Amino acid sequence: NAGVTQTPKFQVLKTGQSMTLQCAQDMNHEYMSWYRQDPGMGLRLIHYSVGAGITDQGEVPNGYNVSRSTTEDFPLRLLSAAPSQTSVYFCASSQLAGVVEDTQYFGPGTRLTVL
Amino acid sequence: GESVGLHLPTLSVQEGDNSIINCAYSNSASDYFIWYKQESGKGPQFIIDIRSNMDKRQGQRVTVLLNKTVKHLSLQIAATQPGDSAVYFCAENISGGYQKVTFGIGTKLQVIP
Repeated sequence: NAGVTQTPKFQVLKTGQSMTLQCAQDMNHEYMSWYRQDPGMGLRLIHYSVGAGITDQGEVPNGYNVSRSTTEDFPLRLLSAAPSQTSVYFCASSQLAGVVEDTQYFGPGTRLTVL
Repeated sequence: GESVGLHLPTLSVQEGDNSIINCAYSNSASDYFIWYKQESGKGPQFIIDIRSNMDKRQGQRVTVLLNKTVKHLSLQIAATQPGDSAVYFCAENISGGYQKVTFGIGTKLQVIP
C-alpha cells in the first residue's frame, strides 16, 4: 500500500490563481480530511468527508472547495489564491468515520506559497 | 516542515537519556488524547493515545501520562535516539470523530548524539 499520497509536493501561485491539490489513499478508508499547518498554530481542519459523495466544512473552509466522487480521491481546490493561504497542507484518512480511536494516517504534505 | 518548526519550544536531550514532553490541553470535557510525531518535511504520525478514564498508558519506549486535575498530558520517551528528533504535538477530542479534534502547537525535540 502507498498509504496517503499528495501532489504536488511544492507549489508557488500568484494571487488570484486557482489550483487543485490532489490527495489519494489506497486503504479503502471512509474518512478523509484536509488540514493546513501554519507556524505557531496547530493543525486546522479545512474540509472533511465521511464517504464518497459526502463532504462537510471544518474550522477554516473559506476559499477552499472539495469533492469526493470516489472513495480513493479527495482533491482540495483553491478558487482564487490569496497570500493568507500560504501554508503546508496535509491530507489524512482513517478507516471509519466518526471513530477517533481509529488511527488517522497523514500524507507527506504540500507546501504552498502564494505571492 | 522546517517553517512549522520555527518558534516552537525546543527540548534538547542527550542520546540515551529519557525525554519528557509536556502538553496543556484546553477543554476539561475532552475525553480522548493523541500524541503525534512529525519529522521534518513529513506528515504527522500517530504515536500513542489515551482515554480520559486512564491516567497512564505505555507503548514501545513511550509512555503517556494524563492528569485531568490540571489538564496536563505528558509523553515520556525512554532511551532517546537520534531518530526521535522531531516535533511532537498532542491532540484532544470531545466524544466525536476527527472533525472534533483540536491539535496543539508542538514541541521540537533535538537529540544530541
